[in-house]
Amino acid sequence: NAGVTQTPKFQVLKTGQSMTLQCAQDMNHEYMSWYRQDPGMGLRLIHYSVGAGITDQGEVPNGYNVSRSTTEDFPLRLLSAAPSQTSVYFCASSYSWPITWGGGTGNTGELFFGEGSRLTVL
Amino acid sequence: AQSVTQLDSHVSVSEGTPVLLRCNYSSSYSPSLFWYVQHPNKGLQLLLKYTSAATLVKGINGFEAEFKKSETSFHLTKPSAHMSDAAEYFCVVSGFSGGYNKLIFGAGTRLAVHP
Repeated sequence: NAGVTQTPKFQVLKTGQSMTLQCAQDMNHEYMSWYRQDPGMGLRLIHYSVGAGITDQGEVPNGYNVSRSTTEDFPLRLLSAAPSQTSVYFCASSYSWPITWGGGTGNTGELFFGEGSRLTVL
Repeated sequence: AQSVTQLDSHVSVSEGTPVLLRCNYSSSYSPSLFWYVQHPNKGLQLLLKYTSAATLVKGINGFEAEFKKSETSFHLTKPSAHMSDAAEYFCVVSGFSGGYNKLIFGAGTRLAVHP
């Protein structure tokens, strides 16, 4: 198993350009998500998906689009890059919804992360 | 609202000495809590998780964490640091915020291990 594969690992864009960060997993996970990591801020959720054809916004969705046409793939699109989108982006997947609601038992799935995509917007 | 605070941004220890990385959380519900580790230029990897079973949770590579509800803490410990433990560590709490379920990441603690 390759796990979670992200491409590209590094990318430099000019303001206003668009691009797609690719994410693929071969573990048949239903849940996939995109995070951005900025110094001193931990990881913040951009978008997530609980299955093919189902996506939803996370904490910081503005400027990003996602789609989930297959279980395996979850690309992240930057529509018009801005310097504020300079960050390291992580894709993560899980067999089950990685949190619990109202309690600490049940299907609390481990998140499997890709190695990250470092994006610089000039 | 749920939140998580990692009390130290940097911790430095000598090889062979104990490690303590501190995490406090805030949650309106019985939380699930996690510690993830990130080695340089790598993705995050789960160290351990607490899901309301035993309060002392053992993880990989000799790490463990104790859930203390009265102190709202979930500190990560290891009896003896190894050079390979040098990494960034994230405390994570499950929660419900902004209308949806989410994982809330702490800002991270960078652990340095000196010979």
